[in-house]
Amino acid sequence: EAGVAQSPRYKIIEKRQSVAFWCNPISGHATLYWYQQILGQGPKLLIQFQNNGVVDDSQLPKDRFSAERLKGVDSTLKIQPAKLEDSAVYLCASSLGHTGGITEAFFGQGTRLTVV
Amino acid sequence: AQSVTQLDSHVSVSEGTPVLLRCNYSSSYSPSLFWYVQHPNKGLQLLLKYTSAATLVKGINGFEAEFKKSETSFHLTKPSAHMSDAAEYFCVVTPYSSASKIIFGSGTRLSIRP
Repeated sequence: EAGVAQSPRYKIIEKRQSVAFWCNPISGHATLYWYQQILGQGPKLLIQFQNNGVVDDSQLPKDRFSAERLKGVDSTLKIQPAKLEDSAVYLCASSLGHTGGITEAFFGQGTRLTVV
Repeated sequence: AQSVTQLDSHVSVSEGTPVLLRCNYSSSYSPSLFWYVQHPNKGLQLLLKYTSAATLVKGINGFEAEFKKSETSFHLTKPSAHMSDAAEYFCVVTPYSSASKIIFGSGTRLSIRP
């Protein structure tokens, strides 16, 4: 089966510019996650969708970050304006998300963002 | 609150010797536990998972982990390290109360000496 697709793989922008990342989850996966992974740290959840509804966005810096999941499939994550501390790898993951039935999450390759 | 603690930020072993990466969890209910591996510039790959079946779980590439409820631990082991095992390893917990919530440990970097 096809995995989680993310694009672009790499992005370099100047601070105060805007950037968008795209994620296509595995077909049929109801749950989609966006994580931020700063160099040397574990992934930090930014936002979690169940179909096209937001389940958890408590750690999303909403003054500059936004995300949407159109029709419960693809998702985009946007940063506007970017700050130097946003330099990180942005990981998208998806899972079947069945309540009471634990399934693992599958991760994309990530987008490495460098803000200069 | 659920959490997961990886006790070592960096582990270094010689090739051919055993590997032990330690993980402790905190969960109100029986959790599901996972180990993921991340090679440089690669995505996260599932090594193995525990979902309340057998307490000793075998994964890919010769890794295994044992769930010990009394110790709230889920340590990852491999009998003989290979150079290709050098990577970052993450212990992950999914609380039973929220089947889709994923909580990551801070990671353990495994280095292999020739």
